[in-house]
Amino acid sequence: AQTVTQSQPEMSVQEAETVTLSCTYDTSENNYYLFWYKQPPSRQMILVIRQEAYKQQNATENRFSVNFQKAAKSFSLKISDSQLGDTAMYFCAFMKHLGGATNKLIFGTGTLLAVQP
Amino acid sequence: EAGVAQSPRYKIIEKRQSVAFWCNPISGHATLYWYQQILGQGPKLLIQFQNNGVVDDSQLPKDRFSAERLKGVDSTLKIQPAKLEDSAVYLCASSSVGVLAGGQGIDTQYFGPGTRLTVL
Repeated sequence: AQTVTQSQPEMSVQEAETVTLSCTYDTSENNYYLFWYKQPPSRQMILVIRQEAYKQQNATENRFSVNFQKAAKSFSLKISDSQLGDTAMYFCAFMKHLGGATNKLIFGTGTLLAVQP
Repeated sequence: EAGVAQSPRYKIIEKRQSVAFWCNPISGHATLYWYQQILGQGPKLLIQFQNNGVVDDSQLPKDRFSAERLKGVDSTLKIQPAKLEDSAVYLCASSSVGVLAGGQGIDTQYFGPGTRLTVL
C-alpha cells in the first residue's frame, strides 16, 4: 500500500521569503503522479502543482516549484516570494497511474503554512 | 465553468440520527469521489464512482454509510445512524481524464467546498 508522509505539521515564513515544504512517500509502483494541494481556511481544496513520475524535469507553476527525487521518494514544494494569500494547509498527495483510468488520491497529513507580514 | 457544488455546508446532529450530503460535480465529469477529512488528517477516500457505477468503496463503512449516483451526475452520501467519530468534513471531488503528450492519462480532481458534520 502507498503512504505519504509530511513531517512538518506547521511552518511559518515571512512575506516575500522562500519556504520549502517536505513530503516523502512509499510505493512499489514505477509509474505514478504526485500532487500538492492547498486548502485555505475556507476549506476548498485547490491544486497547486503536479508531477508525473516518468518526467525527470521538476514541475514549476509561477512561484511554486517542486524538487522531485524519485530514487529517494521525496517530493518537496518550494514557494518563492511568499504572499499572505499563501497561508493555508498544504497536502502532498499520491496517485497511481492506471493507463488513462482515474484513481483515488492518497494524502499526507498536511503542513499548516502561515505567512507573516 | 461552475465548480463542484456541495450542500449543506454545515450540519449538526445528535448521535444515532441520520444525515445526507449532496454533491453536484463539474458538468461532463464522469468520475466522482467522496472523501472524509477528520480534523488534523488528510482526506481519505470513502467511495469512487465512474458514471453511475462504483469503482472503489473499500474504505466505506457499509454498515452505516451509503452512497449513490443516479443517472451518473449528482451524488448523495448518507450516514445512518451517525456516530461521534463521524464528525468530519466530507469532501466531494470530480474529474475527467485528460491526456498528456505521449498518451499518458492524468486525472486532475477538483474539489467542492465540503460539508462540515458535527455529531453530538
